[in-house]
Amino acid sequence: AQSVTQLDSQVPVFEEAPVELRCNYSSSVSVYLFWYVQYPNQGLQLLLKYLSGSTLVESINGFEAEFNKSQTSFHLRKPSVHISDTAEYFCAVSDRGSTLGRLYFGRGTQLTVWP
Amino acid sequence: KAGVTQTPRYLIKTRGQQVTLSCSPISGHRSVSWYQQTPGQGLQFLFEYFSETQRNKGNFPGRFSGRQFSNSRSEMNVSTLELGDSALYLCASSGRQDTGELFFGEGSRLTVL
Repeated sequence: AQSVTQLDSQVPVFEEAPVELRCNYSSSVSVYLFWYVQYPNQGLQLLLKYLSGSTLVESINGFEAEFNKSQTSFHLRKPSVHISDTAEYFCAVSDRGSTLGRLYFGRGTQLTVWP
Repeated sequence: KAGVTQTPRYLIKTRGQQVTLSCSPISGHRSVSWYQQTPGQGLQFLFEYFSETQRNKGNFPGRFSGRQFSNSRSEMNVSTLELGDSALYLCASSGRQDTGELFFGEGSRLTVL
């Protein structure tokens, strides 16, 4: 079975500072990797995904994540955060080629951006 | 394209009652999954349906059930509600069977008193 560990439950940071949200996973099979974001009282929105190819993936709002197979990590980074980035971020994995609708989620990291 | 639509968004029930939640997937998506989100347990997988068949099920008691209709719309039902069933129930749909990429609705927030 897969497991996902998000190493920080809360990350406070000041506006325009860089941020890294850490994610490690454990799996006996190859996986696909995702970051989802959840704003208060809303569902989860896909932020970015790694399916294949380049190990560095980017989102349209400046976030990026790098798949590191040897360290089984998929850390999320942003060089300069905005107050609007305040949200909860979830790392997730799925079995490559045999998903059946199931993602394995980490416990989430609450990112709070202060002015 | 319209996103995943869940109804109702909020509801309050009392212990022992039952509840039905509805989900309309993105047009063309045939897979619908359900997740329970609580502060204590995080996001937990309930079940997944594809073409009206349950293909995958999480570790929840039999009080939790679901179904999918021929138009891919899905419902989940919880019978004999317990206080611990209070949660945000999220529905997600998928148009691809190989990657696990899911598109989520805004959820139905159930409060059990």
